[in-house]
Amino acid sequence: AQRVTQPEKLLSVFKGAPVELKCNYSYSGSPELFWYVQYSRQRLQLLLRHISRESIKGFTADLNKGETSFHLKKPFAQEEDSAMYYCALLPGQNFVFGPGTRLSVLP
Amino acid sequence: EADIYQTPRYLVIGTGKKITLECSQTMGHDKMYWYQQDPGMELHLIHYSYGVNSTEKGDLSSESTVSRIRTEHFPLTLESARPSHTSQYLCASSGNPRGRDQYFGPGTRLLVL
Repeated sequence: AQRVTQPEKLLSVFKGAPVELKCNYSYSGSPELFWYVQYSRQRLQLLLRHISRESIKGFTADLNKGETSFHLKKPFAQEEDSAMYYCALLPGQNFVFGPGTRLSVLP
Repeated sequence: EADIYQTPRYLVIGTGKKITLECSQTMGHDKMYWYQQDPGMELHLIHYSYGVNSTEKGDLSSESTVSRIRTEHFPLTLESARPSHTSQYLCASSGNPRGRDQYFGPGTRLLVL
């Protein structure tokens, strides 16, 4: 069965520290993975997709098929990064979302 | 402005009432989705539509129903609300053939007493 896990419900880091939000997936096919973000009082929105190999707001994510992971990383966290982050798998035409990790960046 | 809208944003209603949650988008997207999300939990797909007159049930069983008579409109109906329906309902749409790049509405928070 397709599944996405995010082991940390809450992650707190200090401003300027590196941050890594973990995501693991289970899927037998070739995966497409995404990170969505929801800032306070805003809508859920796409942050980045692995196929684009992009860096958005300083965040990057690398697909590791061997470890079935798609961890989100940023070298220097900012207070405005505080938000809820969801990892999502697109196995067919409908997303499977993880439970989310709340990132809190402390001053 | 191209956007996706949901009304109402908040709804408190008594058990047994019929409710309709509205979702409309002005982006011309063919694909539309309804997700249910309990606080602190993942989004679960409950309904989706790939175009007019096309509706399917999602991964999470739901007592709600949907219709897609117009491209821009995808309402969700609960014939008889129960406390177990208390949740947040998110509508989304996508113009991508594979459903990538979904755009989400602001959500409706439903409380059934």
